[in-house]
Amino acid sequence: QSVLTQPPSASGTPGQTVTISCSGSSSNTGRNIVNWYQQVPGTAPKLLIYRDNQRPSGVPGRFSGSKSGTSASLAISGLQSEDEAVYYCTVWDDSLNGWVFGGGTKLTVL
Amino acid sequence: EVELVESGGGSVQPGGSLRLSCAASGSSLSDHYVDWVRQAPGRGLEWVGRISNKAHRYTRDYAASVKGRFVISRDDSQNSVTLQMKSLKVEDTAVYYCVRESRDPLWVGELLYYLHYMDVWGRGTPVTVSS
Repeated sequence: QSVLTQPPSASGTPGQTVTISCSGSSSNTGRNIVNWYQQVPGTAPKLLIYRDNQRPSGVPGRFSGSKSGTSASLAISGLQSEDEAVYYCTVWDDSLNGWVFGGGTKLTVL
Repeated sequence: EVELVESGGGSVQPGGSLRLSCAASGSSLSDHYVDWVRQAPGRGLEWVGRISNKAHRYTRDYAASVKGRFVISRDDSQNSVTLQMKSLKVEDTAVYYCVRESRDPLWVGELLYYLHYMDVWGRGTPVTVSS
């Protein structure tokens, strides 16, 4: 049981917009920044969004992040086949004094 | 561009010990915190622990699942970090990633905060605990 709640799966067709949610609590998402990672099977996770809504250089503008209250979201617009991966949210938890992850959302491009 | 390379993974029996190393190249790790994150086969990501930098007295934090069994240390002169694991359990079986943690300053009035995020990941090293 993960501290952060993500849907286990999401899907969309090429060109569509998909949104993945990440729900936490007052000790984590409610007070600290949320970061998102993309993991293609067999490879290491890659930073996709940091500080709630910032994209590292090299990450396409199709990826965007937002946060409201204790929930965060990752939106992927103009869906492409190479976006198939597992997406994780993470945030520092002040009560646990450590990083916590969501369970991951497997994105399928139909 | 910094690159992190983990080594030291392998197979060990329950109750045994293993030492993982993380070597950085391309940039110094000394100002950064460094984390270890693991991923059990077919499972999600789990944070193991982290070590801060010299300015923050090399403070260590650990996940409850490994506290008392795992120890993180660093050698800034070698640009490396170590994860010493003892009393290993079957449930410690996972790929272990070394991760650089960066932080951005944020001023709120006269107060300075730091916004942390894990930004550079190694490729991972597999650890199997089995009898």
